Amino acid sequence: AQSVSQHNHHVILSEAASLELGCNYSYGGTVNLFWYVQYPGQHLQLLLKYFSGDPLVKGIKGFEAEFIKSKFSFNLRKPSVQWSDTAEYFCAVGFQKLVFGTGTRLLVSP
Amino acid sequence: EAQVTQNPRYLITVTGKKLTVTCSQNMNHEYMSWYRQDPGLGLRQIYYSMNVEVTDKGDVPEGYKVSRKEKRNFPLILESPSPNQTSLYFCASSSGPSGKAFFGQGTRLTVV
Repeated sequence: AQSVSQHNHHVILSEAASLELGCNYSYGGTVNLFWYVQYPGQHLQLLLKYFSGDPLVKGIKGFEAEFIKSKFSFNLRKPSVQWSDTAEYFCAVGFQKLVFGTGTRLLVSP
Repeated sequence: EAQVTQNPRYLITVTGKKLTVTCSQNMNHEYMSWYRQDPGLGLRQIYYSMNVEVTDKGDVPEGYKVSRKEKRNFPLILESPSPNQTSLYFCASSSGPSGKAFFGQGTRLTVV
């Protein structure tokens, strides 16, 4: 069965620091890859997605992610975080269904 | 505007009292699903539906029922809620099982 691992459960950064959140998945076939964000008290919103093509994908709010097929990874990055990026971030892999990672809570201190 | 609407947003109930959480989408999506979100466990799929009258179990279906009589609606039914079903529930719809999912606002359920 496919699984998704997010290695960082809690991340604390200061504003302007760079961010990288790890995501690895177990399935070896063709998959769709997603990062969702959940701001405090809100529902999940799509940050970015990868279906095919350029493995470096850009999403909203300055986020980007790189698909590395050989490493089964889809890490999320942002060069300079802001206080408003405080949220929980979920990686998800879609094959026959969407499977979510356990999430990473990001706290950005001003 | 593309929307998934869940109701209620908050619900406190007692053990054993049947309840229904409604979910409606306006995107004509065939695929809909229910998730529960628990701290440290992420989102786990409860049930999903590929189309009208086609439903199947997800990863944590015990204690839940669903129905899909119309394309736009996918209610979640707890026939006899128990405290371990206290959780945050999300309905989602998408064009397919592995596509971009649109989520509802969530229902925070407390069973006492």
